[in-house]
Amino acid sequence: RKEVEQDPGPFNVPEGATVAFNCTYSNSASQSFFWYRQDCRKEPKLLMSVYSSGNEDGRFTAQLNRASQYISLLIRDSKLSDSATYLCVVKRGKNSGYSTLTFGKGTMLLVSP
Amino acid sequence: EAGVAQSPRYKIIEKRQSVAFWCNPISGHATLYWYQQILGQGPKLLIQFQNNGVVDDSQLPKDRFSAERLKGVDSTLKIQPAKLEDSAVYLCASSLDLRVAASGTDTQYFGPGTRLTVL
Repeated sequence: RKEVEQDPGPFNVPEGATVAFNCTYSNSASQSFFWYRQDCRKEPKLLMSVYSSGNEDGRFTAQLNRASQYISLLIRDSKLSDSATYLCVVKRGKNSGYSTLTFGKGTMLLVSP
Repeated sequence: EAGVAQSPRYKIIEKRQSVAFWCNPISGHATLYWYQQILGQGPKLLIQFQNNGVVDDSQLPKDRFSAERLKGVDSTLKIQPAKLEDSAVYLCASSLDLRVAASGTDTQYFGPGTRLTVL
């Protein structure tokens, strides 16, 4: 089983739609969770961190369920500019005292007029 | 603030040739990472440096890949000899700190990447 698994996508939605992405992780020792956004032929950029209590940033809402080892990202009122690949990212510590980030495969979102 | 710089942006080589990539992280960032991103996949960590020391190189194919960060600032990643399956985007990233206890300082900032095509 892969350490981080995401919906395969792509998701094709019209402008204004609400879309949700799901992600599961296999290592229960994982500490922190993030969503990164990657535009076509560009580098990944941090979209938001994910907290146990859930967190919202404008039209974006992230949720974490540690018991189910499940992370989600909800985008409301989709815009054309939301078209991108969304990467689920998990941070866990290592014996060295440092952490590592593991990226999911990404879910592509295409928002059409 | 200047971001992570990488060069070259594109490279086309034939299999069995050698290639090197360069990265300059954000000023003051102690942690530097090299990732390989194959088309349709998420970035996969190859090597992680804390200052000039290697923290994690468990996924680096050491028979052909090498990396160094001699002065704890910029870094080079080398492939020698290249194989067809090495065709990918090589991303460099940096962060202030990625120790286990760090929080708020461990956001990774990525460079634009080097797109390598091996023919």
